[in-house]
Amino acid sequence: TQLLEQSPQFLSIQEGENLTVYCNSSSVFSSLQWYRQEPGEGPVLLVTVVTGGEVKKLKRLTFQFGDARKDSSLHITAAQPGDTGLYLCAGVIQGAQKLVFGQGTRLTINP
Amino acid sequence: EAQVTQNPRYLITVTGKKLTVTCSQNMNHEYMSWYRQDPGLGLRQIYYSMNVEVTDKGDVPEGYKVSRKEKRNFPLILESPSPNQTSLYFCATGTGTGGWGEQFFGPGTRLTVL
Repeated sequence: TQLLEQSPQFLSIQEGENLTVYCNSSSVFSSLQWYRQEPGEGPVLLVTVVTGGEVKKLKRLTFQFGDARKDSSLHITAAQPGDTGLYLCAGVIQGAQKLVFGQGTRLTINP
Repeated sequence: EAQVTQNPRYLITVTGKKLTVTCSQNMNHEYMSWYRQDPGLGLRQIYYSMNVEVTDKGDVPEGYKVSRKEKRNFPLILESPSPNQTSLYFCATGTGTGGWGEQFFGPGTRLTVL
């Protein structure tokens, strides 16, 4: 059973479109991280959110932490081919002293 | 340059032949861990280490061993590899409380066990 469920698992869209990736759980997280992984490399941290309702922006990427700290979303505006990659969410379960990863969303942006 | 290095990057071996994947970091982080990545399953933690001489099992430790004799190195040992250990392996260091802050990953080792 996956503690963090990401959806969709695969997404292929055209350049210029907008998209949202979701990361959901029944557990409460004290913090949540988003990583991007490109082929042949390890994941690289994009952002960490720690406060319920928090919104962080990184250029065309907007990250939101749910009010109850059980879910998060990543929204990309005007997607570009350089956004192609595997996006992973990871959360620290409150009280469990553990970092868990979602299964990832493989995003392909077609020119 | 701050980095995590792994060797080898690619390895094809046969069932039962002991192997070691090395991991080294130059960031002076106390927390290190090993993950395996399989399609549809994401990253699953194999073992982690909070400090020198302290190691603990992660979610999928069966068939693996680790050691942490010095801060910078955290090798992963497969005493008798089996085909179900074919996977992409990542070593990582962690920052913050308990090592659960930002994770810094190595480039990965793709292992095939025939």
